[in-house]
Amino acid sequence: QVQLVQSGAEVKKPGASVKVSCKASGYTFTSYDINWVRQATGQGLEWMGWMNPNSGNTGYAQKFQGRVTMTRNTSISTAYMELSSLRSEDTAVYYCARDPGVWGQGTLVTVSS
Amino acid sequence: AIQMTQSPSSLSASVGDRVTITCRASQGIRNDLGWYQQKPGKAPKLLIYAASSLQSGVPSRFSGSGSGTDFTLTISSLQPEDFATYYCLQDYNYPQTFGQGTKLEIK
Repeated sequence: QVQLVQSGAEVKKPGASVKVSCKASGYTFTSYDINWVRQATGQGLEWMGWMNPNSGNTGYAQKFQGRVTMTRNTSISTAYMELSSLRSEDTAVYYCARDPGVWGQGTLVTVSS
Repeated sequence: AIQMTQSPSSLSASVGDRVTITCRASQGIRNDLGWYQQKPGKAPKLLIYAASSLQSGVPSRFSGSGSGTDFTLTISSLQPEDFATYYCLQDYNYPQTFGQGTKLEIK
């Protein structure tokens, strides 16, 4: 079946970077854009950006410009989201998602000294 | 960026009730709107896409309507499993934007 499986939880110190992976299966990876969304505990959903796995083209929310990088490895059908210069406010569950309605299980990133 | 204003932010209702949640876009988005349900600790689940199309496997008690700037999600007869948080999402353009969410609680 169509699914996205994300990497496991991460704990990072302020100022560090984190790279979350999202492995696609059950469909042609390069045929659908991947979006990244995050959710802080008890808060709403926040769209971070998108990537076209075929071309590698990306678009980021202004809030994350300069700190986020979305990449992919088509040979293993995997998308990546790297967030740098982490601060405590980046503590959240990070999701990858593909239209229509296919979401990864989420990856908890905790930023703490 | 397009702002999505969702209301109400919370709602108390009983099993069997009919409930309506609305989203208003700050500019026209045609029908490029989806509705999601999220339960604690789970990823969002798509209920409605293109404003009024029911996602496969979603019960028919869920329906969506609207076009342009005003959209509605209706649950015709609440079931116990429907108590959750609901979000709208515009995918008319980037950046995509979510509504603030509506927490549906048992009265």
